[in-house]
Amino acid sequence: DIQMTQSPSTLSASVGDRVTITCRASQSISSWLAWYQQKPGKAPTLLIYKASSLQSGVPSRFSGSGSGTEFTLTISSLQPDDFATYYCQQYTNLWTFGQGTKVEIK
Amino acid sequence: EVQLVESGGGLVQPGGSLRLSCAASGFTFSGYWMNWVRQAPGKGLEWVANIKQDGSEKYYVDSVKGRFTISRDNAKNSLYLQMNSLRAEDTAVYYCARGWVVPATIPIDYWGQGTLVTVSS
Repeated sequence: DIQMTQSPSTLSASVGDRVTITCRASQSISSWLAWYQQKPGKAPTLLIYKASSLQSGVPSRFSGSGSGTEFTLTISSLQPDDFATYYCQQYTNLWTFGQGTKVEIK
Repeated sequence: EVQLVESGGGLVQPGGSLRLSCAASGFTFSGYWMNWVRQAPGKGLEWVANIKQDGSEKYYVDSVKGRFTISRDNAKNSLYLQMNSLRAEDTAVYYCARGWVVPATIPIDYWGQGTLVTVSS
């Protein structure tokens, strides 16, 4: 099974900060990686697919990069609505999620 | 508007069974793979199973193989998850989620609001 490891687990940041979350796969997944945002008590929403493709309607401050085993999600200027938990997901061999990164207010 | 509405959750004893349903609307249900994803209280997301448009392919996470069965009824625009031999560790919110049309495109683009399954004596 492919394991996905996110870092950090928790991130404290301020509005306007540039934020980067890392996701590492236990083996190569090419670019078959998605990023989701989840707010408390709500279902996740898709941000990025195929490592760097922005889902329709998602603000351009979100971007994704990487391939193989290392990937990043970047929020260029953190907004109040962005405080949430973020998950990466591989979809090359069955599907697995990372353990999540909580972005909290500093 | 795409809508996915789960039902069938509740409290069940260890070893018991439960059948979850997901009613889909606002899109051509028969054109998409469909998924179940779960989230234990205070924990992360775990993909559980998915099913191809015509039901001919089904995949499961190892922890539920042999206990859970995913199925669909395209005439009723409905997705199901039959859960048998339930364990405490199956306690979670179960989400119905729309998958892709063709593999290796967008994995999940819409989610339901979830239904809570609690396995406890």
